[in-house]
Amino acid sequence: DAKTTQPPSMDCAEGRAANLPCNHSTISGNEYVYWYRQIHSQGPQYIIHGLKNNETNEMASLIITEDRKSSTLILPHATLRDTAVYYCAVMNTGFQKLVFGTGTRLLVSP
Amino acid sequence: DTGVSQDPRHKITKRGQNVTFRCDPISEHNRLYWYRQTLGQGPEFLTYFQNEAQLEKSRLLSDRFSAERPKGSFSTLEIQRTEQGDSAMYLCASSLALPTEAFFGQGTRLTVV
Repeated sequence: DAKTTQPPSMDCAEGRAANLPCNHSTISGNEYVYWYRQIHSQGPQYIIHGLKNNETNEMASLIITEDRKSSTLILPHATLRDTAVYYCAVMNTGFQKLVFGTGTRLLVSP
Repeated sequence: DTGVSQDPRHKITKRGQNVTFRCDPISEHNRLYWYRQTLGQGPEFLTYFQNEAQLEKSRLLSDRFSAERPKGSFSTLEIQRTEQGDSAMYLCASSLALPTEAFFGQGTRLTVV
Protein backbone atom coordinates (compact mmCIF):
# COMPACT_ATOMS: atom_id res chain seq x y z
CA ASP A 1 0.00 0.00 0.00
CA ALA A 2 1.19 3.48 -0.81
CA LYS A 3 2.35 5.59 2.16
CA THR A 4 1.72 9.26 2.78
CA THR A 5 3.96 11.77 4.55
CA GLN A 6 2.76 15.06 5.99
CA PRO A 7 4.35 17.77 8.16
CA PRO A 8 3.26 17.28 11.78
CA SER A 9 1.99 20.81 12.26
CA MET A 10 1.28 24.09 10.47
CA ASP A 11 0.02 27.53 11.44
CA CYS A 12 -2.21 29.84 9.45
CA ALA A 13 -3.66 33.27 10.06
CA GLU A 14 -7.43 33.58 9.93
CA GLY A 15 -8.61 34.69 6.50
CA ARG A 16 -5.47 33.56 4.75
CA ALA A 17 -5.11 30.50 2.55
CA ALA A 18 -3.90 27.32 4.22
CA ASN A 19 -1.80 25.11 1.97
CA LEU A 20 -1.28 21.62 3.37
CA PRO A 21 1.22 19.40 1.55
CA CYS A 22 1.28 15.62 1.29
CA ASN A 23 3.90 13.34 -0.19
CA HIS A 24 2.77 10.04 -1.71
CA SER A 25 5.72 9.14 -3.89
CA THR A 26 4.87 5.41 -4.03
CA ILE A 27 1.34 5.94 -5.30
CA SER A 28 0.19 3.69 -8.12
CA GLY A 29 -1.46 4.91 -11.28
CA ASN A 30 -5.02 4.07 -10.28
CA GLU A 31 -4.86 5.02 -6.60
CA TYR A 32 -6.84 8.04 -5.50
CA VAL A 33 -5.75 10.72 -3.04
CA TYR A 34 -8.24 11.59 -0.30
CA TRP A 35 -8.24 14.30 2.34
CA TYR A 36 -10.08 14.14 5.64
CA ARG A 37 -9.95 16.28 8.73
CA GLN A 38 -10.59 15.42 12.34
CA ILE A 39 -11.54 17.67 15.17
CA HIS A 40 -10.73 16.38 18.62
CA SER A 41 -12.84 13.41 19.70
CA GLN A 42 -14.84 13.31 16.48
CA GLY A 43 -14.72 10.99 13.50
CA PRO A 44 -12.83 12.03 10.36
CA GLN A 45 -14.76 14.36 8.05
CA TYR A 46 -14.42 13.93 4.29
CA ILE A 47 -13.05 16.96 2.45
CA ILE A 48 -12.13 16.07 -1.13
CA HIS A 49 -10.53 13.42 -3.31
CA GLY A 50 -8.92 13.16 -6.74
CA LEU A 51 -6.97 10.94 -9.12
CA LYS A 52 -4.89 13.17 -11.36
CA ASN A 53 -6.82 16.32 -12.14
CA ASN A 54 -7.14 19.21 -9.76
CA GLU A 55 -10.43 19.22 -7.88
CA THR A 56 -12.44 21.91 -6.13
CA ASN A 57 -15.54 21.79 -3.98
CA GLU A 58 -17.21 24.07 -1.47
CA MET A 59 -14.70 23.18 1.23
CA ALA A 60 -11.33 23.13 -0.48
CA SER A 61 -9.18 22.65 -3.57
CA LEU A 62 -6.91 19.72 -4.26
CA ILE A 63 -3.83 20.19 -6.42
CA ILE A 64 -2.08 16.98 -7.55
CA THR A 65 1.30 17.24 -9.22
CA GLU A 66 1.66 15.91 -12.73
CA ASP A 67 3.77 12.96 -11.56
CA ARG A 68 1.18 12.34 -8.79
CA LYS A 69 3.89 11.98 -6.17
CA SER A 70 2.55 14.82 -4.06
CA SER A 71 -0.54 16.90 -3.53
CA THR A 72 -1.64 20.06 -1.74
CA LEU A 73 -4.92 20.74 -0.01
CA ILE A 74 -5.88 24.39 -0.13
CA LEU A 75 -8.34 26.01 2.25
CA PRO A 76 -8.79 29.37 0.49
CA HIS A 77 -9.89 31.48 3.47
CA ALA A 78 -9.11 29.68 6.72
CA THR A 79 -11.35 30.28 9.72
CA LEU A 80 -10.86 29.40 13.37
CA ARG A 81 -13.21 26.45 12.86
CA ASP A 82 -10.73 24.97 10.38
CA THR A 83 -8.36 24.18 13.25
CA ALA A 84 -8.08 20.39 13.10
CA VAL A 85 -5.83 17.49 12.15
CA TYR A 86 -5.80 17.05 8.38
CA TYR A 87 -5.14 13.61 6.98
CA CYS A 88 -3.99 12.76 3.51
CA ALA A 89 -4.87 9.20 2.54
CA VAL A 90 -4.48 6.94 -0.46
CA MET A 91 -7.20 4.63 -1.68
CA ASN A 92 -5.48 1.35 -2.38
CA THR A 93 -5.70 -0.55 -5.63
CA GLY A 94 -8.91 -2.51 -5.57
CA PHE A 95 -10.78 0.32 -3.83
CA GLN A 96 -11.01 -1.52 -0.58
CA LYS A 97 -9.49 0.75 2.03
CA LEU A 98 -7.96 4.11 2.80
CA VAL A 99 -4.36 4.17 3.97
CA PHE A 100 -3.88 7.20 6.21
CA GLY A 101 -0.76 9.07 7.18
CA THR A 102 -0.11 10.61 10.58
CA GLY A 103 -1.72 13.92 9.66
CA THR A 104 -0.95 17.63 9.95
CA ARG A 105 -2.25 19.57 12.91
CA LEU A 106 -3.41 22.92 11.51
CA LEU A 107 -3.80 25.79 13.93
CA VAL A 108 -5.68 28.82 12.62
CA SER A 109 -5.08 31.90 14.71
CA PRO A 110 -6.84 35.29 14.80
CA ASP B 1 -30.71 9.35 8.14
CA THR B 2 -28.10 11.80 9.25
CA GLY B 3 -24.96 9.73 8.92
CA VAL B 4 -23.02 6.80 10.33
CA SER B 5 -23.98 6.02 13.91
CA GLN B 6 -21.82 4.17 16.43
CA ASP B 7 -22.73 2.85 19.84
CA PRO B 8 -21.50 3.20 22.52
CA ARG B 9 -19.43 6.36 22.24
CA HIS B 10 -17.28 5.36 25.19
CA LYS B 11 -16.55 2.02 26.80
CA ILE B 12 -14.38 1.26 29.81
CA THR B 13 -13.74 -2.41 30.46
CA LYS B 14 -11.51 -4.55 32.58
CA ARG B 15 -8.75 -6.55 30.97
CA GLY B 16 -9.99 -9.96 29.94
CA GLN B 17 -13.59 -8.92 29.40
CA ASN B 18 -15.38 -9.11 26.05
CA VAL B 19 -16.79 -6.00 24.41
CA THR B 20 -19.05 -5.45 21.40
CA PHE B 21 -19.50 -2.29 19.39
CA ARG B 22 -22.27 -1.50 16.93
CA CYS B 23 -22.22 0.53 13.73
CA ASP B 24 -25.26 1.65 11.73
CA PRO B 25 -24.15 2.85 8.28
CA ILE B 26 -25.88 5.28 5.97
CA SER B 27 -28.84 3.26 4.76
CA GLU B 28 -28.09 3.06 1.05
CA HIS B 29 -24.38 2.33 1.50
CA ASN B 30 -23.40 -1.24 0.67
CA ARG B 31 -19.81 -0.95 1.93
CA LEU B 32 -18.90 -0.79 5.60
CA TYR B 33 -15.44 -0.41 7.08
CA TRP B 34 -13.89 -0.69 10.53
CA TYR B 35 -10.78 1.28 11.43
CA ARG B 36 -8.79 1.66 14.64
CA GLN B 37 -7.09 4.86 15.71
CA THR B 38 -4.58 5.28 18.53
CA LEU B 39 -3.41 8.58 19.97
CA GLY B 40 -1.44 10.68 17.52
CA GLN B 41 -1.92 8.27 14.63
CA GLY B 42 -4.15 8.18 11.60
CA PRO B 43 -6.90 5.58 11.35
CA GLU B 44 -5.71 2.06 10.51
CA PHE B 45 -7.85 -0.28 8.43
CA LEU B 46 -9.22 -3.37 10.18
CA THR B 47 -11.82 -4.93 7.90
CA TYR B 48 -14.52 -4.20 5.36
CA PHE B 49 -17.83 -5.61 4.21
CA GLN B 50 -19.63 -5.41 0.93
CA ASN B 51 -23.23 -6.08 1.85
CA GLU B 52 -23.01 -9.01 4.29
CA ALA B 53 -19.75 -10.43 2.95
CA GLN B 54 -16.54 -9.69 4.82
CA LEU B 55 -14.07 -9.28 1.99
CA GLU B 56 -10.82 -8.22 3.61
CA LYS B 57 -9.25 -8.35 7.04
CA SER B 58 -6.08 -6.62 8.18
CA ARG B 59 -3.28 -8.43 9.97
CA LEU B 60 -4.14 -6.08 12.83
CA LEU B 61 -7.33 -8.08 13.31
CA SER B 62 -6.16 -10.85 15.62
CA ASP B 63 -8.15 -13.97 16.44
CA ARG B 64 -9.69 -12.12 19.37
CA PHE B 65 -11.46 -9.75 16.99
CA SER B 66 -14.54 -10.67 15.02
CA ALA B 67 -16.85 -8.56 12.91
CA GLU B 68 -20.24 -9.33 11.43
CA ARG B 69 -22.73 -7.59 9.22
CA PRO B 70 -25.87 -9.71 9.19
CA LYS B 71 -28.23 -8.96 6.33
CA GLY B 72 -25.92 -6.27 5.05
CA SER B 73 -27.26 -3.61 7.41
CA PHE B 74 -25.66 -2.78 10.77
CA SER B 75 -22.35 -4.27 11.82
CA THR B 76 -20.85 -5.39 15.11
CA LEU B 77 -17.21 -5.60 16.14
CA GLU B 78 -16.45 -7.88 19.06
CA ILE B 79 -13.19 -8.04 20.97
CA GLN B 80 -12.72 -11.05 23.20
CA ARG B 81 -10.39 -11.18 26.20
CA THR B 82 -9.50 -7.52 25.90
CA GLU B 83 -5.93 -6.39 26.50
CA GLN B 84 -4.61 -2.96 27.41
CA GLY B 85 -3.19 -2.65 23.92
CA ASP B 86 -6.73 -2.73 22.56
CA SER B 87 -7.38 0.71 24.01
CA ALA B 88 -8.13 2.92 21.01
CA MET B 89 -10.82 4.69 19.08
CA TYR B 90 -12.75 2.27 16.88
CA LEU B 91 -14.18 3.98 13.82
CA CYS B 92 -16.80 2.78 11.41
CA ALA B 93 -17.28 4.17 7.92
CA SER B 94 -19.64 3.46 5.06
CA SER B 95 -19.75 4.21 1.37
CA LEU B 96 -21.18 3.30 -1.97
CA ALA B 97 -18.81 1.57 -4.35
CA LEU B 98 -15.47 3.37 -4.19
CA PRO B 99 -13.89 5.65 -5.19
CA THR B 100 -16.72 7.74 -3.82
CA GLU B 101 -16.32 9.34 -0.41
CA ALA B 102 -16.46 7.18 2.72
CA PHE B 103 -18.30 8.73 5.66
CA PHE B 104 -17.10 8.06 9.18
CA GLY B 105 -19.03 7.76 12.40
CA GLN B 106 -18.03 9.48 15.64
CA GLY B 107 -16.24 6.40 16.87
CA THR B 108 -16.25 4.29 20.01
CA ARG B 109 -13.45 5.06 22.44
CA LEU B 110 -12.38 1.90 24.26
CA THR B 111 -10.34 2.03 27.44
CA VAL B 112 -9.09 -1.25 28.88
CA VAL B 113 -8.04 -1.00 32.53
